[in-house]
Amino acid sequence: GAGVSQSPSNKVTEKGKDVELRCDPISGHTALYWYRQSLGQGLEFLIYFQGNSAPDKSGLPSDRFSAERTGGSVSTLTIQRTQQEDSAVYLCASSLAGGSYEQFFGPGTRLTVL
Amino acid sequence: QKEVEQNSGPLSVPEGAIASLNCTYSDRGSQSFFWYRQYSGKSPELIMFIYSNGDKEDGRFTAQLNKASQYVSLLIRDSQPSDSATYLCAVEKNQGGKLIFGQGTELSVKP
Repeated sequence: GAGVSQSPSNKVTEKGKDVELRCDPISGHTALYWYRQSLGQGLEFLIYFQGNSAPDKSGLPSDRFSAERTGGSVSTLTIQRTQQEDSAVYLCASSLAGGSYEQFFGPGTRLTVL
Repeated sequence: QKEVEQNSGPLSVPEGAIASLNCTYSDRGSQSFFWYRQYSGKSPELIMFIYSNGDKEDGRFTAQLNKASQYVSLLIRDSQPSDSATYLCAVEKNQGGKLIFGQGTELSVKP
């Protein structure tokens, strides 16, 4: 595709349920990032994948959050036992490589936990 | 202290004026600095990046970096209503690609 795509665009779930958010990076981009943005706030780094290296998970807020990237392309962010404070827009970005390359953002998934 | 700090605004300037957006960061070892623009309800898009002390110009935009003062700014000349958006300052730590964002400054350009 021409850009980073994410699905679903919106997700409403009940507290305690698990959710999966998907990201398709730009073809050929080896680096993939997940951020989240709460209302009126800047972006909070969650996790970073670069090629076959071990991911940088330093931004994951709790062990309820996990992510994987299969085949060096598509990534899934999973949130288990969702809480109301997890409500936010989850943004995925990709870049040609790790380091100081421009990160291109997807449209985001708006997660609402009731 | 937040790692990257910006005034949340809103910053209001008249059309045609210079808008000045400021950002400070706490990690003296930071190497790369980015300005992203985010329209309401949209995703961030890169405006400029800067690595070296001094000024970097691109059209109506100028990024300024002062590593000694741990300060980075974005100037927008001849501001247009279409520049109205939230501007996010981001700092890359340790050249690993991980960006730390400020909370953003909302800019409003009045016709």
